[in-house]
Amino acid sequence: NAGVTQTPKFRVLKTGQSMTLLCAQDMNHEYMYWYRQDPGMGLRLIHYSVGEGTTAKGEVPDGYNVSRLKKQNFLLGLESAAPSQTSVYFCASRPRGTDTQYFGPGTRLTVL
Amino acid sequence: SQQGEEDPQALSIQEGENATMNCSYKTSINNLQWYRQNSGRGLVHLILIRSNEREKHSGRLRVTLDTSKKSSSLLITASRAADTASYFCATDGNTDKLIFGTGTRLQVFP
Repeated sequence: NAGVTQTPKFRVLKTGQSMTLLCAQDMNHEYMYWYRQDPGMGLRLIHYSVGEGTTAKGEVPDGYNVSRLKKQNFLLGLESAAPSQTSVYFCASRPRGTDTQYFGPGTRLTVL
Repeated sequence: SQQGEEDPQALSIQEGENATMNCSYKTSINNLQWYRQNSGRGLVHLILIRSNEREKHSGRLRVTLDTSKKSSSLLITASRAADTASYFCATDGNTDKLIFGTGTRLQVFP
């Protein structure tokens, strides 16, 4: 099993550009999460999903959209990137009935 | 923000010494977890302690939980250079989500 994978690993955008980050998991997990990690801030939840076709806002959702059309995939979109969205983005998943989350390797995004 | 706090922010020790890091949180919880993050990598789950437990062990790890003080500690005994990483506590706040602390950076010198 590959676990949780994230695409791409690195990306540089110009202000105003759009992009989509892909998270995929092959563990048949119901729950999926998108976080951002900034220096000194720990991880902050952007959006999450409790199952295919459902999404919900986390602590810092502004400027991001998500979709969960397939159970194994959770997409994070930036419609108009801003320098404040420069960060490392992590995806995680977990099965229903347990509390442990499994993390992907991260995507380092720089917005110029 | 409901984000928890960890103390100290950074810790440097020699191999063989014990490392203790503390976590304080703000909401009621079902459980508290500790995760480890090596530089440039994703987080890896270390241990989970439930709200009705006071202490839990796993190998060289010992976790305590005091729900009355809303605090937890992680002790790593006989540390190794390979333990160098950042350590985060995370609480569930009785929800489907986790709230992470700000982390402790541990450096273990050979």
